[in-house]
Amino acid sequence: DAGVIQSPRHEVTEMGQEVTLRCKPISGHDYLFWYRQTMMRGLELLIYFNNNVPIDDSGMPEDRFSAKMPNASFSTLKIQPSEPRDSAVYFCASRNTDSSGNTIYFGEGSWLTVV
Amino acid sequence: GDSVTQMEGPVTLSEEAFLTINCTYTATGYPSLFWYVQYPGEGLQLLLKATKADDKGSNKGFEATYRKETTSFHLEKGSVQVSDSAVYFCALSGRRGNKLTFGTGTQLKVEL
Repeated sequence: DAGVIQSPRHEVTEMGQEVTLRCKPISGHDYLFWYRQTMMRGLELLIYFNNNVPIDDSGMPEDRFSAKMPNASFSTLKIQPSEPRDSAVYFCASRNTDSSGNTIYFGEGSWLTVV
Repeated sequence: GDSVTQMEGPVTLSEEAFLTINCTYTATGYPSLFWYVQYPGEGLQLLLKATKADDKGSNKGFEATYRKETTSFHLEKGSVQVSDSAVYFCALSGRRGNKLTFGTGTQLKVEL
């Protein structure tokens, strides 16, 4: 089975540019999560969706960040405008309500560098 | 709120040494507990999990036992290999299982 698929894997962009990260969750999973990983702050939950509806976005750092899930198989995380402090690894993850032990599966991550 | 505390790294061991990475947690109710591993340049992979007290999760020679009385989930391996070099994250999922709370991660380096 295909796992969580993220794109792009690596992106380098200039400050002020818009960045869009994409995620395809595992088929049949009804929860989708966006995490950010930095050396300073470790792994932080940014936002999560249940059945395409945003449930908790309290981790979104500021208005420059937005996330959407237009359907069960696709989500985006957008940063506009981007800043150097947004440089991080962004992980998408998904889960099935019926999964044993509430296991969450992660994608390979999108490695973002803002210069 | 929920929280996870892991031992500080980095941990450097010789090949075939015994490994323990400590993890304690704070949560209401009965969380599920996880260890994830991140190899250099890669994403997070589930290593093992336990969903109730006294359960033992195991995988690839690694083990961890859910100890409710000490709120701990320490990761152990009897004989580490160079290929085990990675960052290990302890995590918990609350009652509703809606999200994971992670520890800060412990870097393990295994040398020949």
